[in-house]
Amino acid sequence: AQSVTQLGSHVSVSEGALVLLRCNYSSSVPPYLFWYVQYPNQGLQLLLKYTTGATLVKGINGFEAEFKKSETSFHLTKPSAHMSDAAEYFCAVRTIIQGAQKLVFGQGTRLTINP
Amino acid sequence: NAGVTQTPKFRVLKTGQSMTLLCAQDMNHEYMYWYRQDPGMGLRLIHYSVGEGTTAKGEVPDGYNVSRLKKQNFLLGLESAAPSQTSVYFCASVSAVNYEQYFGPGTRLTVT
Repeated sequence: AQSVTQLGSHVSVSEGALVLLRCNYSSSVPPYLFWYVQYPNQGLQLLLKYTTGATLVKGINGFEAEFKKSETSFHLTKPSAHMSDAAEYFCAVRTIIQGAQKLVFGQGTRLTINP
Repeated sequence: NAGVTQTPKFRVLKTGQSMTLLCAQDMNHEYMYWYRQDPGMGLRLIHYSVGEGTTAKGEVPDGYNVSRLKKQNFLLGLESAAPSQTSVYFCASVSAVNYEQYFGPGTRLTVT
């Protein structure tokens, strides 16, 4: 069964610093991977996704993630943090069970940006 | 094009009361999902539907029922609310083209 582990429930960086949010997955089939962002009191919004093809995926708001099959990882990065990046981030892997596709989410990482 | 909408946005129930949460999508998606979000636990799937008239259990279905009478609507019911059902509930629908899940804004439910 597919699963997702996000390393670190809280990450704090200074404004302008590199953002690195870690995600490892397990999957018995080639994975489809997603990063979602959730701002306070809002729903989840798709940041980026990997399905096939290029392993470096660029998303909205300057974020990108690299699919590394050998490491079963899909870490999210942004070169320079902005105050508006403060939010909770969820990594997810698509799974198909009995013909139905679902997303399995990690526990989330809360990103705090220090001025 | 409103995407995915949820009603109500907030609700407070007493233990034993019942209520129905409504999710609506205008993107003609076949798949719809109900999740609950609790601190430190990410999103957990309650029930889902792969099309009009079909529903299936997810990871945490106990205490909830669902119906998908129309393709655009997915209802989540609590027959007898319990404090353990205090949570934020999210609905989502999925595109069969790009596999992206589109989320509603959430319903914050408190059961006292």
